[in-house]
Amino acid sequence: DAKTTQPNSMESNEEEPVHLPCNHSTISGTDYIHWYRQLPSQGPEYVIHGLTSNVNNRMASLAIAEDRKSSTLILHRATLRDAAVYYCILRAVLGQGAQKLVFGQGTRLTINP
Amino acid sequence: NAGVTQTPKFRILKIGQSMTLQCTQDMNHNYMYWYRQDPGMGLKLIYYSVGAGITDKGEVPNGYNVSRSTTEDFPLRLELAAPSQTSVYFCASSYSISGDGSPLHFGNGTRLTVT
Repeated sequence: DAKTTQPNSMESNEEEPVHLPCNHSTISGTDYIHWYRQLPSQGPEYVIHGLTSNVNNRMASLAIAEDRKSSTLILHRATLRDAAVYYCILRAVLGQGAQKLVFGQGTRLTINP
Repeated sequence: NAGVTQTPKFRILKIGQSMTLQCTQDMNHNYMYWYRQDPGMGLKLIYYSVGAGITDKGEVPNGYNVSRSTTEDFPLRLELAAPSQTSVYFCASSYSISGDGSPLHFGNGTRLTVT
């Protein structure tokens, strides 16, 4: 499985943008980049995913480098509710279309009021 | 809409006991998954299912069994509990067999302690 590398922790202030980096130098051409986050005592929650082009949704934006060896999750205006562990994942495909998400240790994001 | 529901939320087992972790989803998803998360670590895939009657092993299947008799339910069975199975267990489901894969929806987990 292709690996991702993320900083262990990051800190930001409320209402400021947050850029969470991820390196995935061994990514293959068919690997989708997925981001999930996990709030305390909850299951992971889907944030966003992409293949080559930058993506936007109501939660965040995903900027993917041209060579696809790195990506950045952007939270445009962080709130206290965004404090969580953020996982950058290269999604693998199992038999019959099932997905395999290989979770690393993620980045623990702290938001200061 | 309840999403993915896991029961129980907490359980303490003695070594050698058995139990079933329940998972049900009401989104009519064909794919379902069981993951475990050890303290301070990411999740690892135990088993998955692509539809009723079809299951397959993930990364860490030893010590576990699953069945999928209906679309909604995907129970995980521990036959002989061991301390190494102390973990938080998450069930997830997803739909679609499209190329990029639809998001996984996770339950809130079952925290299991084996002593």
